[in-house]
Amino acid sequence: TQLLEQSPQFLSIQEGENLTVYCNSSSVFSSLQWYRQEPGEGPVLLVTVVTGGEVKKLKRLTFQFGDARKDSSLHITAAQPGDTGLYLCAGDEGSNYQLIWGAGTKLIIKP
Amino acid sequence: AAGVIQSPRHLIKEKRETATLKCYPIPRHDTVYWYQQGPGQDPQFLISFYEKMQSDKGSIPDRFSAQQFSDYHSELNMSSLELGDSALYFCASSLEGTGGFDEQYFGPGTRLTVT
Repeated sequence: TQLLEQSPQFLSIQEGENLTVYCNSSSVFSSLQWYRQEPGEGPVLLVTVVTGGEVKKLKRLTFQFGDARKDSSLHITAAQPGDTGLYLCAGDEGSNYQLIWGAGTKLIIKP
Repeated sequence: AAGVIQSPRHLIKEKRETATLKCYPIPRHDTVYWYQQGPGQDPQFLISFYEKMQSDKGSIPDRFSAQQFSDYHSELNMSSLELGDSALYFCASSLEGTGGFDEQYFGPGTRLTVT
């Protein structure tokens, strides 16, 4: 079974600090998606990365796909309390309809 | 923009009862996915449908069944409910083959409580 290891599982930092969340796998993904989920709500798609080495920016969020398409990172600059939430990465193997999910990173930004 | 619609949002059932969850995908999306998410867990894939045919099957119990209808909405039927079935159930939809990958858009979920 292909695994997607996400780290850290929990992160609590002060407003204004920077942080990085990592998703790593030993296998190759055709694409990787990042989601943000609020308690009791459905995951909201933030971005999809497809090409090895690809970098996408969404305001203060920067997403990167590894050159070998086995890993990805999410970097948040100058974190705000509104960034608080659960961040999930999910990889698409391309061979079936299932996504391989990371365990999630629970992020708390303290004012 | 239109999003995935799920109904009901909350459902309380007793053990051994049945439940039906409904999902209305984003217009023009042809693929529907069902997920189960327990507290503190990532979504567990149950089943998916593409163009009204089952496309993939995950950890869906035999007590559950699902189908996608001609208007692309989908229903998840759950019978002989057990306490362990209490969870958030999400539906997601995508447009197959967009750019060679499928972006899944999730609905708000149905919270099922089995007592």
